[in-house]
Amino acid sequence: EAQVTQNPRYLITVTGKKLTVTCSQNMNHEYMSWYRQDPGLGLRQIYYSMNVEVTDKGDVPEGYKVSRKEKRNFPLILESPSPNQTSLYFCASSPSSGIGTQYFGPGTRLLVL
Amino acid sequence: DAKTTQPPSMDCAEGRAANLPCNHSTISGNEYVYWYRQIHSQGPQYIIHGLKNNETNEMASLIITEDRKSSTLILPHATLRDTAVYYCIVRVGDNNDMRFGAGTRLTVKP
Repeated sequence: EAQVTQNPRYLITVTGKKLTVTCSQNMNHEYMSWYRQDPGLGLRQIYYSMNVEVTDKGDVPEGYKVSRKEKRNFPLILESPSPNQTSLYFCASSPSSGIGTQYFGPGTRLLVL
Repeated sequence: DAKTTQPPSMDCAEGRAANLPCNHSTISGNEYVYWYRQIHSQGPQYIIHGLKNNETNEMASLIITEDRKSSTLILPHATLRDTAVYYCIVRVGDNNDMRFGAGTRLTVKP
């Protein structure tokens, strides 16, 4: 089944403790991205990647890192999480950067205490 | 990207057609209209997109006015499972940053 998977789905952590949210897609898509969703603010793009080893900042990249060493994986790294990073995170993939048909993962709900 | 305006909420009776409007009066000639929906807190789901012509797929129909300043998403026979927030997005190719606004919360009632 074609899908985007994220792990973990739920995470409670404390301020400053490094964490990684994994994202994987099995559709051989070139384009991948991360969003966060907060009440009243909609979805906002954090980082995106047009292909392996190519990443760029979205609208709200501060406090996050990403890497794209393989086509299928696009992990989101929070080196030192803070409470304002408590949010619902979505990973998405698309066949290429010029196509707006994105496939979203199920989401990761993060709570930073 | 062009800004879109959608009503915050709509109701629809089960089995009837749901018509969700979207205004995008500043749309440019090369900007596509995309529709996504989000059921509860699940990941957004692509529905349909179009440039100028009306489009139909197994999920919905998209009607774009001739001047392209507005569009309507039609769910022909709404079911309770169609209850969701529907997002209308206008974007240009190349950058996949989909600017999701507040959307329209559609409630399908029995």
